[in-house]
Parts: sequence; C-alpha cells; structure tokens
Amino acid sequence: DVKVTQSSRYLVKRTGEKVFLECVQDMDHENMFWYRQDPGLGLRLIYFSYDVKMKEKGDIPEGYSVSREKKERFSLILESASTNQTSMYLCASTFRGEYQETQYFGPGTRLLVL
Amino acid sequence: LAKTTQPISMDSYEGQEVNITCSHNNIATNDYITWYQQFPSQGPRFIIQGYKTKVTNEVASLFIPADRKSSTLSLPRVSLSDTAVYYCLVGDADRGSTLGRLYFGRGTQLTVWP
Repeated sequence: DVKVTQSSRYLVKRTGEKVFLECVQDMDHENMFWYRQDPGLGLRLIYFSYDVKMKEKGDIPEGYSVSREKKERFSLILESASTNQTSMYLCASTFRGEYQETQYFGPGTRLLVL
Repeated sequence: LAKTTQPISMDSYEGQEVNITCSHNNIATNDYITWYQQFPSQGPRFIIQGYKTKVTNEVASLFIPADRKSSTLSLPRVSLSDTAVYYCLVGDADRGSTLGRLYFGRGTQLTVWP
C-alpha cells in the first residue's frame, strides 16, 4: 500500500514563527501536493510539484513556499505564520491509475497559530 | 476543469442503500469521474472512478448516464462506519491538465444512523 506520512498531526505555533510541514511518500511518486482544508471551503490547493526541485503555484500560494530536494519529500513552509493560516494541511502524492491520477493523502496536520 | 454540484448532506440508516448524485454539466469529452471519501481528521481516500455506464468495486458502484452530465455513487447496505464526507471530482486523463487541478468542492456529508 502507498504510504504518505506527515511529520506532525497537531502543531501549535505563534504569529510570526517560521513553520515547516514535512511530507514523505514511499511509492516513488513523481507528483506531490499540499492542500489546506477549512470548514465549508473544501480542499484548496496551495502548491504542487511534479519533479525534484520543480514547483508550481496552486490556487492559494500567498504566504507559503515549498521545497522538493528529494523525490520522496515535499515540504511546506510558512515563512511568518499568521492566525489566518490556522487550518488542516493535507499532503498528497499521485499514482498514475488506469484513467487518471489517483491522489493518495497523508493523515493531515492540524495547525493552530496563536 | 468541470466543477461539480453535490448535496451538502444526506442521512441514512444502517443497512440501507445510499445513492449520492453529483452534477457536472460542463464535463468534457476526456474527463473521468472520481469519488473520494474522507473521515474526520484524515485525508481523503480514493473510492471509485469511471468514464461511462457502470463501474463496480468492492466498496461501491458508480452509475454514469449516457450524457455524462451527472453520476451517482451507490453504497450498498451502509454501516455506521460509512459516515464521512464524499467528494465527486471530474478531470481530464491527460496528466498535463489534471496535474494539481483536482477540485474537491465541499462534498456531501453522509451520516448513517443506527
């Protein structure tokens, strides 16, 4: 089975802190994604990466950056955390299925910014 | 990318069959239809995917009419553990157009009662 792991399930940070969220997948997937999920808004794409050192902005990249130094690892960085970044963060990687890419998700990191 | 419309919530009782319908009026010729399931505090999980007619796996069935402007996820004999949010997505099979652009929307909250 594909396994996508995230470094923390729960995280509490203060406004202005630099925050690193790590995601690791063990299936040699090329594509990796970071989403945030907020009540009533569904999942919104922050950034994605289709190869090592490659990245593309998603729908809401402001206030975030990413790093993909190794194929299996995709990091989301909050340079200066703000309270409106309190959210559930989900990492995913894709497997090229029969029809279309099937995304495998990690368990999520619930971030609280005080 | 075609957006989708689903009911916000549905209720059912254990042992009943549940059908969740999704509208995707602007679906394109190359688009496939995929359903994900998400439990609280977990990432979404792939359930089923199809292009037309009917697809069945060990978890669910997916019914797609000839015009493909809607699809119905069918869960046979639901149990309490099927309580979750169900997302319907449509996307192109070409990697270049689906990459990072899966739109999850708000999904349908299914609650199964004893």
